[in-house]
Parts: sequence; C-alpha cells; structure tokens
Amino acid sequence: RKEVEQDPGPFNVPEGATVAFNCTYSNSASQSFFWYRQDCRKEPKLLMSVYSSGNEDGRFTAQLNRASQYISLLIRDSKLSDSATYLCVVNPLSQFYFGTGTSLTVIP
Amino acid sequence: GAVVSQHPSRVICKSGTSVKIECRSLDFQATTMFWYRQFPKQSLMLMATSNEGSKATYEQGVEKDKFLINHASLTLSTLTVTSAHPEDSSFYICSALARRGRGQPQHFGDGTRLSIL
Repeated sequence: RKEVEQDPGPFNVPEGATVAFNCTYSNSASQSFFWYRQDCRKEPKLLMSVYSSGNEDGRFTAQLNRASQYISLLIRDSKLSDSATYLCVVNPLSQFYFGTGTSLTVIP
Repeated sequence: GAVVSQHPSRVICKSGTSVKIECRSLDFQATTMFWYRQFPKQSLMLMATSNEGSKATYEQGVEKDKFLINHASLTLSTLTVTSAHPEDSSFYICSALARRGRGQPQHFGDGTRLSIL
C-alpha cells in the first residue's frame, strides 16, 4: 500500500466554484501534514501546513482526520489563478511522502 | 518566508558532460536537504537525502556514483550528475528543512531543467 494516495484528477471547475481534494495516508504515526501547489514546469510551493484542529487561510481550508487517516484541502470561490497541481505531503518521523498530485483547472 | 536558491536553472549540454547543481538556503541553516527529479507530468521522485557533514542517503535504484551529492555546509548542497546521458534529462529540484524537529515543511529551490543532447 502506498504511503500517500491522492486522486490525480483532473478537476475542471468553473470560476467561483468550491472544490475539495482529499489525500489518504497509511502511517498512523504521521505527525505533520502539508499542502503544496505546483505550477507547470515550476517547483512546488508551500500552500499551507495542516493542523490537527483544522486551519484556514483566506479561501483555503485544510483539515485533518486522524481516525480515517486523511487530510483535505477546500478551495472556495475558485480563481483562474488557482489552476495548478496540488500535492499533499505527509511527514512521519524523518521521512516525507508526497502524493502524486491533483490537477485543478479553473475555467472562466 | 524561507528562501532556497538553486543554480543553474537551465542546463543544455552534450552527452558525457558532468553537470553540477547547487542548492543554497539563503536565510536559514539547513541541516537536511533533499534532491528530487521529476519527469513531465509525473510526480516528484526522491533521489537522496543529504545531511550536513555526513554521506547522503540514496533511494533505491539511484546510483550514488552517478549522482554525487555533497553537503559541505549548513547552507549549501550540491548534486553532480556525472557523465550525463540523454536519459538523465529531467527537472531536478532540491529542498531544505529549516531546522530539526517535527512540523517543519520543506522549502523548494526553483529547480534545474537539465537537457542532455
């Protein structure tokens, strides 16, 4: 079983829509979780860390469900500039495990 | 935020050439740096983990004699692709951890696009 599983998409949504991505992880000892975005032919950029109580940054909300071992990212009021690949990262101990990424395209 | 600089951003060279890529943490000390490669439309693939002052730990299937990693200081790690061939053409990205302890994210360099002719 993969350490991290992520739906690759693609997700094609209209501007202004709300979209959510999930990412499941297998190691229950995982302590740290992150969401990155990667634009085409660019490096991943940290979008937000995911805290146990859930956290919000503007239009972005990240949540952690330890019981079901998944993290989620919710994007409200999608903008064209949100089009990118979103990577979840799980950090048990000293390892970092990346999801394969979910492709999002926001359509005008 | 933490800044990681990677140089060069683009390399085009002939088969058989060795190529050196530098990864620098500009405003923090990085005890651990990671090297990844990424093929088009594929996910990041971890090549090796580089700890300052010790030998790098390579992932299975990555040749340590082919991809030489040196992490000589807390702000610099280098990856040298020796005797590069066209199949080594890829996007190479480094990342750095700002400090030890849990909960710290990786910060990525800009990446190096390597093309071997």
